[in-house]
Amino acid sequence: AQSVTQPDIHITVSEGASLELRCNYSYGATPYLFWYVQSPGQGLQLLLKYFSGDTLVQGIKGFEAEFKRSQSSFNLRKPSVHWSDAAEYFCAVGPGLNSGGGADGLTFGKGTHLIIQP
Amino acid sequence: DAGITQSPRHKVTETGTPVTLRCHQTENHRYMYWYRQDPGHGLRLIHYSYGVKDTDKGEVSDGYSVSRSKTEDFLLTLESATSSQTSVYFCAISKTGGGGYTFGSGTRLTVV
Repeated sequence: AQSVTQPDIHITVSEGASLELRCNYSYGATPYLFWYVQSPGQGLQLLLKYFSGDTLVQGIKGFEAEFKRSQSSFNLRKPSVHWSDAAEYFCAVGPGLNSGGGADGLTFGKGTHLIIQP
Repeated sequence: DAGITQSPRHKVTETGTPVTLRCHQTENHRYMYWYRQDPGHGLRLIHYSYGVKDTDKGEVSDGYSVSRSKTEDFLLTLESATSSQTSVYFCAISKTGGGGYTFGSGTRLTVV
């Protein structure tokens, strides 16, 4: 069965500093990979996604993520965080093109809570 | 999000009562999903649908049932609500079942 691990429950970063949120996954085939952000009391907003091709993916709000097949990782990065980036971040995997089909949705990690220090 | 709405947005109910949450889409997407979100657990799949009258169980389906009688509506029913079902429930839709998902704004359900 597929699984997603986000090792850091909380991360505190100073405003203007760089950020890296870790995500490791377990999946039988090459999955589709996603990062979502959720502000308090809000729904989920898609930051970026990886389907195939270039392993460095650019997203919204200045975020990027790199797919590393050998490490089963899809880490999220941002060169300089802003106070408005404080939120919960979720990594997720879904059935990829060669997974044999399957519409059984996304599997999410437990999330990383990002705190921004002034 | 545009094209997907959940109702109600908030609900408080008593233990043992039945509750139905509604997800409505205007995108004509084939796939629809119900998730629950709990602190420390992320989002977990309850049930999903891959077409009208076609549904299947997810990771945490016990105590829940679903129905999809038309493309645009996916209903989640708690047959007899329990306090452990206090959660935030999210609906999601997908055109292809793999590539992209749009989430609703969520329903906060409290069972007292």
